[in-house]
Amino acid sequence: KAGVTQTPRYLIKTRGQQVTLSCSPISGHRSVSWYQQTPGQGLQFLFEYFSETQRNKGNFPGRFSGRQFSNSRSEMNVSTLELGDSALYLCASSLASGAREQYFGPGTRLTVT
Amino acid sequence: AQTVTQSQPEMSVQEAETVTLSCTYDTSENNYYLFWYKQPPSRQMILVIRQEAYKQQNATENRFSVNFQKAAKSFSLKISDSQLGDTAMYFCAFFTNSGTYKYIFGTGTRLKVLA
Repeated sequence: KAGVTQTPRYLIKTRGQQVTLSCSPISGHRSVSWYQQTPGQGLQFLFEYFSETQRNKGNFPGRFSGRQFSNSRSEMNVSTLELGDSALYLCASSLASGAREQYFGPGTRLTVT
Repeated sequence: AQTVTQSQPEMSVQEAETVTLSCTYDTSENNYYLFWYKQPPSRQMILVIRQEAYKQQNATENRFSVNFQKAAKSFSLKISDSQLGDTAMYFCAFFTNSGTYKYIFGTGTRLKVLA
C-alpha cells in the first residue's frame, strides 16, 4: 500500500499571500488530520476531517481552513500568510475519525518571507 | 487541559549503548494512550511504541521499551543497543477520545547516536 503523500514538499510564499497544501491518505483511510510543526513547539493539531466533514479542531485562527473530498483527499488552506506560519505541515491518515493509529506523510515545508 | 512535556531538547549516546528519553504528561482522564514517535532527518514520522493506560505491563518493541508510571504520569522511552539509524527527533504523544478528541505531542527530543 502506498503511504500518505503530501504535495508540494516545499513552498515559499510572501506575507499576505494564501497557500493550499494537499494530502492523499493511505488507500482505505477516511480520516485526515493536519498538524503544524515548528521548532520548540512540537506538533500542534490543526483539524481533522472525516467523510468530508471537519470532526475536530485545534486552537488556530480562522485563516487556517481545510476540506476533504469524496475520495478522502484533503486540502489545507492558509490565507493572509504571516511570517509565523513558516513551519512543516504534516498530515496524518487513519481508518476512522478519532482513531488512535495515525500514519504520517512527509510534510510540506512552508517558508513565508 | 492535557499537556505533554519533554524536558530534554537534545541528547546523544554512543553506538551500542542504552539511552532513556523522558516524558511527563498531565491529564485527568482515565482512558488514554501514550505513544513515542520517531522522525528521522528529512523523513516521515513513524510510530515506535504505544502504551494503553489501562495496561500495567510496560510495552516493548525489540530494542525499544517504555517505563510507564501512571501515578507519576511519566512515560519514558529506553533504547537499548543504540544504532546510527536511531538518530532522529523523538516525540512523546498523548491520545484520548473520551469525550473530546485530543492528540497532544511534546516538543520533541533530538537524539544523536555517535559512532
